[in-house]
Amino acid sequence: DTAVSQTPKYLVTQMGNDKSIKCEQNLGHDTMYWYKQDSKKFLKIMFSYNNKELIINETVPNRFSPKSPDKAHLNLHINSLELGDSAVYFCASSPRQGVVAFFGQGTRLTVV
Amino acid sequence: AQTVTQSQPEMSVQEAETVTLSCTYDTSESDYYLFWYKQPPSRQMILVIRQEAYKQQNATENRFSVNFQKAAKSFSLKISDSQLGDAAMYFCAYRRPGNQFYFGTGTSLTVIP
Repeated sequence: DTAVSQTPKYLVTQMGNDKSIKCEQNLGHDTMYWYKQDSKKFLKIMFSYNNKELIINETVPNRFSPKSPDKAHLNLHINSLELGDSAVYFCASSPRQGVVAFFGQGTRLTVV
Repeated sequence: AQTVTQSQPEMSVQEAETVTLSCTYDTSESDYYLFWYKQPPSRQMILVIRQEAYKQQNATENRFSVNFQKAAKSFSLKISDSQLGDAAMYFCAYRRPGNQFYFGTGTSLTVIP
């Protein structure tokens, strides 16, 4: 069983479009994250949700909005996509009192 | 601010040899955790090893071990008896209280047959 799953794995879209990436974890974890990995492999945290409350927002553009319908899901919505948004986006989760982050397999977003 | 620095963008090692990947971090916290993650071409982020800051003993997981120097804020990863499957991108990560993770820029490891 996949612990953290993201869909889709690949997403190609045109500039200006709005898209969503879904993430689900079946580990019962309290905290979920979105990371962006750029072409140089640098991982940067974008958002962190703890019990449905946003606790980190690392100054990402407001075109990006995380939405958590419940504790097991944290979706990423991106409006008005730009070329610079092309990257791999990782979802991750960790227990509130735990220390290990479990990662999804990533979504490669390509904006053309 | 917490930062994690990996000063070796690329490293290579002969199969069956030992290699050490460097990581330093900056923090004012006394209670934190450190990790090494492996990212093979499949993109999956895989936990390799973790270290609790309050433990003086260096963590070990089979062929993987760390050299944790708390005063120097250094956390290097040693891979012994390197195998072809060890070829990947390796990320050092720091977790502070409050569940916030910070990653280094990664080290690309090549294993030469």
